[in-house]
Amino acid sequence: KAGVTQTPRYLIKTRGQQVTLSCSPISGHRSVSWYQQTPGQGLQFLFEYFSETQRNKGNFPGRFSGRQFSNSRSEMNVSTLELGDSALYLCASSLDRTFSYNEQFFGPGTRLTVL
Amino acid sequence: TQLLEQSPQFLSIQEGENLTVYCNSSSVFSSLQWYRQEPGEGPVLLVTVVTGGEVKKLKRLTFQFGDARKDSSLHITAAQPGDTGLYLCAASMDSSYKLIFGSGTRLLVRP
Repeated sequence: KAGVTQTPRYLIKTRGQQVTLSCSPISGHRSVSWYQQTPGQGLQFLFEYFSETQRNKGNFPGRFSGRQFSNSRSEMNVSTLELGDSALYLCASSLDRTFSYNEQFFGPGTRLTVL
Repeated sequence: TQLLEQSPQFLSIQEGENLTVYCNSSSVFSSLQWYRQEPGEGPVLLVTVVTGGEVKKLKRLTFQFGDARKDSSLHITAAQPGDTGLYLCAASMDSSYKLIFGSGTRLLVRP
């Protein structure tokens, strides 16, 4: 079974631009979560989607948004990029069996650099 | 304040040595997971523990969940260079699908 795929793997943008990242979950997985990883803050939860609905949201500004399509694929968007948005953005999918057994499987990430 | 405290932050050991990594919190978790991450890649799930006091073994790795489900440990026996990486604990709390990650333990196993 293919794993979680993310595109693109690397991205360079300038301040003020916007960016869209894409994630395809493992086949059969209906929940998709997004995380931001930086050396200073570690892995931080952005949001989680299930059946095209945002079910959970982390403490990030409104510039960060996402959506999920009917085939469970997900995209996240960051508008008006800032230097501090430079990070590894990780997507994870899960079977959504139960919140007490929330095994998430991660993609390789998209490395975003903002200049 | 980090909800999940991992220690140590860094560990550099010789091949063949044993080590233990700790993940602690004052909160009770529904479940706890351990991941390993290599540079430029996403975290890879190693194990999930759900029941207080649970012990799981994965070859040379032993994972333990505290009785009160507030802490966990990862013990590696006879470490090998292939064990090098960033080890992360992550926990689910309440009725949320959000994973909270610890700050990670960076392990280097020297040949």
